Amino acid sequence: SQQGEEDPQALSIQEGENATMNCSYKTSINNLQWYRQNSGRGLVHLILIRSNEREKHSGRLRVTLDTSKKSSSLLITASRAADTASYFCATDALNSGYALNFGKGTSLLVTP
Amino acid sequence: DAGVIQSPRHEVTEMGQEVTLRCKPISGHDYLFWYRQTMMRGLELLIYFNNNVPIDDSGMPEDRFSAKMPNASFSTLKIQPSEPRDSAVYFCASSLLIGAGGGYTFGSGTRLTVV
Repeated sequence: SQQGEEDPQALSIQEGENATMNCSYKTSINNLQWYRQNSGRGLVHLILIRSNEREKHSGRLRVTLDTSKKSSSLLITASRAADTASYFCATDALNSGYALNFGKGTSLLVTP
Repeated sequence: DAGVIQSPRHEVTEMGQEVTLRCKPISGHDYLFWYRQTMMRGLELLIYFNNNVPIDDSGMPEDRFSAKMPNASFSTLKIQPSEPRDSAVYFCASSLLIGAGGGYTFGSGTRLTVV
């Protein structure tokens, strides 16, 4: 069953701009992860944030987590054409045996 | 490590035929997952294994689907008989940990088309 829901479904920006994607989920979580999927490829793990953390950085990525609102955001700064991909949030929780449940993703297009 | 290896990359089969998808996880990863991805339903967890033992198969859609993991380096997902609605991309993923913050490593997927 799906837990996370990303917003927007699609996002188009120009190189150099920042891209922000949001994820909302329904039940309490243990941690939240973000993945990237290039067209025709498997998903690649980007970053993980634990339920007791509020913000995390990795290179040009910044993730925030608000457990009171059951939401997370992924910010990609200074975007590049190579960032064009679909981005998924995934949550794990006790009621799913801690296996990851994925949202339907945000499709990001970065144009030169 | 070559990552998670899935075969075949593409499979086209006729309705009613048996289909077998294969996966080799990363060596040392104790968890193996099978997901199905469609435009309508997104990524769905079908089943996962821990140390070769199936832990949760509640996502397997019907009795037509079965999965095995005979050893730590190989798993199969079988559909018999296949139906057009089974058309999807099937991903295998492996992980060292779950719950404690382990990220998953995904294979490149098998695109299944049932005609």
